[in-house]
Amino acid sequence: GDSVTQMEGPVTLSEEAFLTINCTYTATGYPSLFWYVQYPGEGLQLLLKATKADDKGSNKGFEATYRKETTSFHLEKGSVQVSDSAVYFCALRNAGGTSYGKLTFGQGTILTVHP
Amino acid sequence: KAGVTQTPRYLIKTRGQQVTLSCSPISGHRSVSWYQQTPGQGLQFLFEYFSETQRNKGNFPGRFSGRQFSNSRSEMNVSTLELGDSALYLCASSSLQGPNYGYTFGSGTRLTVV
Repeated sequence: GDSVTQMEGPVTLSEEAFLTINCTYTATGYPSLFWYVQYPGEGLQLLLKATKADDKGSNKGFEATYRKETTSFHLEKGSVQVSDSAVYFCALRNAGGTSYGKLTFGQGTILTVHP
Repeated sequence: KAGVTQTPRYLIKTRGQQVTLSCSPISGHRSVSWYQQTPGQGLQFLFEYFSETQRNKGNFPGRFSGRQFSNSRSEMNVSTLELGDSALYLCASSSLQGPNYGYTFGSGTRLTVV
């Protein structure tokens, strides 16, 4: 079945540092890929998405490129802020009947940014 | 544009009771999915409804059920609650197509079973 693997956390950075959170996936076909962010006590917010190979999703300074050859969708940001502290989830959605409405999530990566 | 609304935000129930959670999707979204989030298991898919029909179901016991109404609002029910059902339950709605394709989540219902 489909699966998503994220780099182990937690990740602790100083403000303005470069961020990379690795995400790799296993899926048949051509899934869509997503990054979600969860702040304490809240639900998930869509950060960015990519629906086909070589697409680059971007939002709020975050970027991720859909790499089919390496089955990866790594999240990057050039300069993190304290307000970026949250839990980040990589997810995929496959096409087809057994995938209706289903996102498969990675285990989440806790990011803490210090001033 | 209103987001996905889940009610109630918090619930405390006793083992053996049943509970019903509600989700109102974004206007125009006909697909509603439910997820359980726990520290140990992470985010797990429960089921998905589209136009009042359950199209997909995750690997949960029959105590977990749901339904969708003609206005796309959805409810999920858990019967005979167990301590392990304590979790954050998230609902997501989707337009399924077009440039805004994606899943928008509500803030969740935090269920505590004592």
